[in-house]
Amino acid sequence: AQSVTQLGSHVSVSEGALVLLRCNYSSSVPPYLFWYVQYPNQGLQLLLKYTSAATLVKGINGFEAEFKKSETSFHLTKPSAHMSDAAEYFCAVSENTDKLIFGTGTRLQVFP
Amino acid sequence: NAGVTQTPKFRILKIGQSMTLQCAQDMNHNYMYWYRQDPGMGLKLIYYSVGAGITDKGEVPNGYNVSRSTTEDFPLRLELAAPSQTSVYFCASGKPLAGAYEQYFGPGTRLTVT
Repeated sequence: AQSVTQLGSHVSVSEGALVLLRCNYSSSVPPYLFWYVQYPNQGLQLLLKYTSAATLVKGINGFEAEFKKSETSFHLTKPSAHMSDAAEYFCAVSENTDKLIFGTGTRLQVFP
Repeated sequence: NAGVTQTPKFRILKIGQSMTLQCAQDMNHNYMYWYRQDPGMGLKLIYYSVGAGITDKGEVPNGYNVSRSTTEDFPLRLELAAPSQTSVYFCASGKPLAGAYEQYFGPGTRLTVT
């Protein structure tokens, strides 16, 4: 069965520092992987998606993620955090189906 | 193009009351979904629909009902509201992406049952 684990429910960084949000997945077949962002009191917005075309995926707002099959990971990174990046981030997996399985989320705080 | 819209934004219900959460999409997506989001729990799928007239249960369907009479609308019905249904509810529609579906979310409905 597919599942997603997000390590760290809260991550704090200083403005300008590297952002690293961790996501590990479990899947019996090559998965489709997604990162969504949720700003306060809003719905989820797609940041980026992995569909097996390229292992390094670039998304919106300067974020990117690398699919590593050997580590079953799909960590989200951004070289330099902005205050506006403060939000909750969700990793999700789909095993060639019409449904997504979401992780429990990581709340990112950015300090000036 | 409004995407996915949800009404109301907020609602307070008393225990035992009923209500319908409305969801509409204008992207002509066949797939639609209802999730609930509780703190620290991520999103849990309540019901989903693969097209008009077809619905199926998700992970946490108890206490809810859905219908899908048109491609655009997917209302969620709560009968006999309970405090455990206090949550934020999100509707989403799905666009085919090779073998999976990319989902687009509405802004959510925050429901409190007291």
